[in-house]
Amino acid sequence: GENVEQHPSTLSVQEGDSAVIKCTYSDSASNYFPWYKQELGKGPQLIIDIRSNVGEKKDQRIAVTLNKTAKHFSLHITETQPEDSAVYFCAASTGTASKLTFGTGTRLQVTL
Amino acid sequence: NAGVTQTPKFQVLKTGQSMTLQCAQDMNHEYMSWYRQDPGMGLRLIHYSVGAGITDQGEVPNGYNVSRSTTEDFPLRLLSAAPSQTSVYFCASGSVLYGYTFGSGTRLTVV
Repeated sequence: GENVEQHPSTLSVQEGDSAVIKCTYSDSASNYFPWYKQELGKGPQLIIDIRSNVGEKKDQRIAVTLNKTAKHFSLHITETQPEDSAVYFCAASTGTASKLTFGTGTRLQVTL
Repeated sequence: NAGVTQTPKFQVLKTGQSMTLQCAQDMNHEYMSWYRQDPGMGLRLIHYSVGAGITDQGEVPNGYNVSRSTTEDFPLRLLSAAPSQTSVYFCASGSVLYGYTFGSGTRLTVV
């Protein structure tokens, strides 16, 4: 089955700096790659996703890049703010199965 | 539009007790799933369903049962709770096309 690895497990940045979280996947058939943000005591919330026919996608301060050849994808957050502090999860899915396999999460802390 | 609703939010069980975690969605999604979240292990898929009457096992199905009699509801049953099932449980619904929505979770402690 699919295996998703996520790095780093913790990340501390100063407010205004950029943050990058990287994930690799094992199943070359995977074609959907979402990113979730989880705040303390809440469920994961979808923040951005990308499909295998696209190399990059942006939404304001958030961007995701996908390298299908290398089987890795990354989340980029620019101009970080204290409210960006949370745990971020990457995931991968093969479209027909509709099952999401998650990475182990990255705890992002944005310091003032 | 409430999205995905999970009940209860908190539960303490004794070893060997049974219970059902409820999950309901009002978005008419065909796909629903249950995950458990443990420290340092991300979210692991327990069971999932691609439509009413259809269920299948995920990565960690042992000790859990599911059924899907309607599009809206996807309950998760623990027949005989064990301490290893202490976890936070999340229900999700959606699709690859539209994305997946998670509920707010059920924190379960088995003593």
